[in-house]
This record gives sequence, structure tokens and C-alpha cells, in this order.
Amino acid sequence: DIVMTQSPDSLAVSLGERATLNCKSSQSVLYSSNNKYYIAWYQQKPGQPPKLLIYWASTRASGVPDRFSGSGSGTDFTLTISSLQAEDVAVYYCQQYYSTPPTFGPGTKVDIK
Amino acid sequence: QVQLVQSGAEVKKPGASVKVSCKASGYTFTGHYMHWVRQAPGQGLEWMGWINPKSGGTNYAQKFQGRVSMTRDTSLSTVYMELSRLRSDDTAVYYCARDLWVDILTIVPDLWGQGALVTVSS
Repeated sequence: DIVMTQSPDSLAVSLGERATLNCKSSQSVLYSSNNKYYIAWYQQKPGQPPKLLIYWASTRASGVPDRFSGSGSGTDFTLTISSLQAEDVAVYYCQQYYSTPPTFGPGTKVDIK
Repeated sequence: QVQLVQSGAEVKKPGASVKVSCKASGYTFTGHYMHWVRQAPGQGLEWMGWINPKSGGTNYAQKFQGRVSMTRDTSLSTVYMELSRLRSDDTAVYYCARDLWVDILTIVPDLWGQGALVTVSS
């Protein structure tokens, strides 16, 4: 199974500031035939199910604000929240769907400083 | 309204089975694969498997092989996940989650049920 790691475990950012969350896969998740990275990002608020934010490493899901962006290459990926809002307090998970079973990272908790 | 509505919380004894339902509405039920993902208290997300509502075909994570069964009833637009031989470490919130694309399996869930807490305790 592909192991996903995330850093930091938690971070506190001031309102309006940038938050940068990191995710690393234990092996390549690039599918050479379509040149796409099989990485997704989810946001989970307390007591709620996860919400899909990003897929193909950088494509925003429908309705996701443009302050959320995904990037990365190789085995290192980043979710950036360009201007943190109060409603962004949550745990963020990355996931690989390159191979079965799909696996999730342990999550990064984002709080307000 | 596009949504997945799951059955309620359950309390089971070790060794018992649990069956969780997930009713889809607002979209073509047979058009999207459905996944089951669980989350132990305070822990991360664990994928359990998928079912193709159109064909009934399934694929389970190796960890759950022999203990899990996913079925569907197209007349009710409902999928079911049954987990048997329950242990205390099966205590978790169980989510059904719809795959993103129509008729294509990607294992990117874009629509999630509200979750069903299953507690395994003697």
C-alpha cells in the first residue's frame, strides 16, 4: 500500500494569512498515460463528513473557494489556503487514488492564531 | 436535493454483525460507484471498498475481505454495508461516499453521507 504522510500535524495561522499544508506519498502517484497526479485533498470540520476540495492534485472541486489551491510534483504535494478564514478551521487530509487501496494521510489540523 | 442519508447509530457486542444503509437521492443512483470509508474516534480515514450500483460488482480492501459485504437495492436507491465478526477496534463512524465521475471509477468521493456511528462493546 502507498503510505501518505502529512506535515505539520497542526498549524495555527492568523486570519487573512497563508496556510501551507504538505503531503508526501511513499511512491509515485503520477499516471504516465495522462500525466496526472492521483492526489485529492479533503476538509473535515468537527462532527461533519469530509468535503472534497481538490483532485488531480490541483483541480478544485465544484463550489470550492479559489483561496484553496493544490500543487506539487513527484511525491510531494501542497495544499495552500491563500487567506485563512474562520470557516477554514478543520482537519485536512490528502489521499492517493493511484492504486488500490486508496490511502489517506493522517491529517493536518488548522486553527486560528 | 443531491444527498446520501445513512441509517442511525448502532451498538453491537463483539462477534456480532452490523448492517448500515445509505439511501441516495437527487441523482442517478446507478451512475456512480459508491464507497465505504470508516473513521475511528479521533483517527483518520480508512477506505473499506466500493460497490457498483449498476452491476452489483464489488471490490473490498484486503483488510476487510471475508468480513464485509456490500450490496444494493436499485429499487430503493440504497446501498448497504454489512460487517461481521465485530471487534472493539471496529468502533468507528462509517461513511458511504459517492464517486466523483459518472460511470468511471476513480475512488475520489465527492458526496458523503452523514455517517453512522457503530460502537462495539460488551
